[in-house]
Amino acid sequence: EPEVTQTPSHQVTQMGQEVILRCVPISNHLYFYWYRQILGQKVEFLVSFYNNEISEKSEIFDDQFSVERPDGSNFTLKIRSTKLEDSAMYFCASKGTGANVLTFGAGSRLTVL
Amino acid sequence: AQSVTQLGSHVSVSEGALVLLRCNYSSSVPPYLFWYVQYPNQGLQLLLKYTTGATLVKGINGFEAEFKKSETSFHLTKPSAHMSDAAEYFCAVSDRSGNTPLVFGKGTRLSVIA
Repeated sequence: EPEVTQTPSHQVTQMGQEVILRCVPISNHLYFYWYRQILGQKVEFLVSFYNNEISEKSEIFDDQFSVERPDGSNFTLKIRSTKLEDSAMYFCASKGTGANVLTFGAGSRLTVL
Repeated sequence: AQSVTQLGSHVSVSEGALVLLRCNYSSSVPPYLFWYVQYPNQGLQLLLKYTTGATLVKGINGFEAEFKKSETSFHLTKPSAHMSDAAEYFCAVSDRSGNTPLVFGKGTRLSVIA
């Protein structure tokens, strides 16, 4: 069964460092998403991406965050200068045209020290 | 704006007992409703969804949920809990356009006691 793949599964970084989280969506999907889950809290929407541009973003997704689809298969989330409060599980998801169900990856756990 | 409330951050049941995880939503228009499950160290897996049609929907692993518009609820049930059901369960809502992000509840951790 097709799946969304995320790397790394866990990354530890120092505050102020740049982090790139990578996702390989399902190959024929056209809508891509990043969500995050701070430990013990709800899963929160960050950003959606379609047709090579951001279609919607939340207030969490500030100037420190960016997304890119560099090569037609990967979908990346970059955090320019990490803060302690960026520590969370980050989930990538994708959706096909006409579908109403998101397929999620296993998540990337980011720990900022 | 849509929102989801899951009552109870942690539910504990005995093996073989009924599982009931509560979800109430707020939406100005009839929504799409979802339940996702997260097993330890895994991603979010779709359990079931309600879009249109029958209000009682059946999902994987013996779970089902009923959409009750009058109560704005979408509670998840399973007649008999198994140890393997221990996981985090998330209720989520989206609008019918399919183009707005899923809004999740805070999740309910289900523990199953032998």
